[in-house]
Amino acid sequence: EAQVTQNPRYLITVTGKKLTVTCSQNMNHEYMSWYRQDPGLGLRQIYYSMNVEVTDKGDVPEGYKVSRKEKRNFPLILESPSPNQTSLYFCASWTGLEEQYFGPGTRLTVT
Amino acid sequence: GEDVEQSLFLSVREGDSSVINCTYTDSSSTYLYWYKQEPGAGLQLLTYIFSNMDMKQDQRLTVLLNKKDKHLSLRIADTQTGDSAIYFCAESIWGGKLIFGQGTELSVKP
Repeated sequence: EAQVTQNPRYLITVTGKKLTVTCSQNMNHEYMSWYRQDPGLGLRQIYYSMNVEVTDKGDVPEGYKVSRKEKRNFPLILESPSPNQTSLYFCASWTGLEEQYFGPGTRLTVT
Repeated sequence: GEDVEQSLFLSVREGDSSVINCTYTDSSSTYLYWYKQEPGAGLQLLTYIFSNMDMKQDQRLTVLLNKKDKHLSLRIADTQTGDSAIYFCAESIWGGKLIFGQGTELSVKP
């Protein structure tokens, strides 16, 4: 089954404690992206990747890092999380045409 | 810069048609999308239209694209209570970037 998986689905952490949210896809897609969703703001792109070792900033990259060492994986790293990074995060993958496949989301709370 | 705008709320009666509107600014869009998000769930792709098309129909859904005005709409015929959700329009531009609107919360009253 074609899917994008994210882990963890829910995470509560404290300010400054490094965390990683994993994302994996099984469709051999070149493109992968991370979004955050906040009420009234829709989804905003954090980072995206066009292939292995090729990444670029989206609209809200501050405070986040990504890496794309393998085609299937695109982890999102928060080196020093802050409360304003409390949000719902989605990973997505696609071929660059037509449909983007979204993961189920990760709800992050930073206290 | 790129921007996609939607109204935030729409309320209709069950059985009526719903029309959700969206405007975008980037004329180099390749595809335009409509996604549905139910409470507590992820994003479900409803339909999409290639930027050189004017209209696409898929069962109860009709997408209209006016490229001159950069206006996209989604019409849901015979709206049901199960259609209550947040609807996002999005445009794809070069390099794999996808720009989303703020989302329109559709409320369907029995």
